[in-house]
Amino acid sequence: QVQVVQSGAEVKKPGASVKVSCKATGYTLTIYYIHWVRQAPGQGLEWMGMINPSGGSTTYAQKFQGRVTITSDTSTSTVYMDLSSLRSEDTAVYYCARDRLPGGIDYYMDVWGKGTTVTVSS
Amino acid sequence: EIVLTQSPATLSLSPGEGATLSCRASQSVYSYLAWYQQKPGQAPRLLLYDTSKRATGIPARFSGSGSGTEFALTISSLEPEDFAVYYCQQRRSWPLTFGGGTKVEIK
Repeated sequence: QVQVVQSGAEVKKPGASVKVSCKATGYTLTIYYIHWVRQAPGQGLEWMGMINPSGGSTTYAQKFQGRVTITSDTSTSTVYMDLSSLRSEDTAVYYCARDRLPGGIDYYMDVWGKGTTVTVSS
Repeated sequence: EIVLTQSPATLSLSPGEGATLSCRASQSVYSYLAWYQQKPGQAPRLLLYDTSKRATGIPARFSGSGSGTEFALTISSLEPEDFAVYYCQQRRSWPLTFGGGTKVEIK
């Protein structure tokens, strides 16, 4: 069964960093791009960036440039999203989602993780 | 950045009724638009891509239309499980962006 399985909830203090993982199961990680999308409480969806796990090339939304780093570990079929300098506005559910087509030429997301809640609070 | 504006914010309808949701882009996205459904506490689910192509397993009551800057998602006859929030998303240019969502609620 094709899935992306995310790590558990995190509570962080302002200024800290958080690293969320996303493990691909039921398919080969390197064949599909992985996106990261977040959703603040009661708000809409916000795309943060994506990675080609085959080679590690990334594209980030300008809003997050310099604060977000997306990496992949093909040996464990896992993608990571690291967000630094956390502030209260970063409190959200963070989703990883697989691109719809192999090779990443689609940029629609058809397999989603259940989400990881990140709470930033002093 | 391409801004997607969805309307209405909320649609109050009864099961069996039809629904039409709108998504307007600040500049042309050609046909590169998708629709997602999200239920409370769940991740979004891809419904349609490239304006009108149904994703795997999506029932035929969901259809999409439009091009350029004006798009619509139509649900021909609402089933109880269709009451949810719907988002549009463009892939025409970076960053990928989503609309603010339309909530379809039970009247």
